[in-house]
Amino acid sequence: EAAVTQSPRNKVAVTGGKVTLSCNQTNNHNNMYWYRQDTGHGLRLIHYSYGAGSTEKGDIPDGYKASRPSQENFSLILELATPSQTSVYFCASGEGQGGPEVFFGKGTRLTVV
Amino acid sequence: QEKVQQSPESLIVPEGAMSSLNCTFSNSASQSIWWYQQHPGKGPEALISIFSNGNKKEGRLTVYLNRASLHVSLHIRDSQPSDSAVYLCAGGSNYNVLYFGSGTKLTVEP
Repeated sequence: EAAVTQSPRNKVAVTGGKVTLSCNQTNNHNNMYWYRQDTGHGLRLIHYSYGAGSTEKGDIPDGYKASRPSQENFSLILELATPSQTSVYFCASGEGQGGPEVFFGKGTRLTVV
Repeated sequence: QEKVQQSPESLIVPEGAMSSLNCTFSNSASQSIWWYQQHPGKGPEALISIFSNGNKKEGRLTVYLNRASLHVSLHIRDSQPSDSAVYLCAGGSNYNVLYFGSGTKLTVEP
């Protein structure tokens, strides 16, 4: 079965600090995604990638960077964390054209204080 | 960018009833439409997808797609308490990404 693993599962960060959220997939999917989920907003796309070395901006990329060093790994980086970035973050992977089935990790709950 | 609107925000049905959830898209660009189920504290999981106009049935689930009206609906027959979850509608784009609605919280009461 498809497997997407996120770490850490929970994180408390201080305002202005650097936060790195990591994601590993064993599906050998080309596409990987980072979403955040907030009450009333559903899942919003932050960054995505088509393969190792590529990153693309999603709908809400401001304040976030992404890195895809390999097929399996995709990181989300908050260089200067702010309280507005408190949220639940989901990593996902998928394959296919025009709207693939996407497999999600269990999520990372990030609190910025 | 696809905009996805879901209704209702929440739905309470008795066990054994039909649950009906709705989704409307902002344009016809979505090539595929997906329904995902999300239990508390978990990541979303794909339930069913549809690509063409018409309907698709899988077990207790039926999905209807009308591209002309940009509307899709999900119907869960014989709803069970274990079906209680948030249901997310998503549209796929040419860029191989899914755009999600804000979800419908379904509660099935025993």
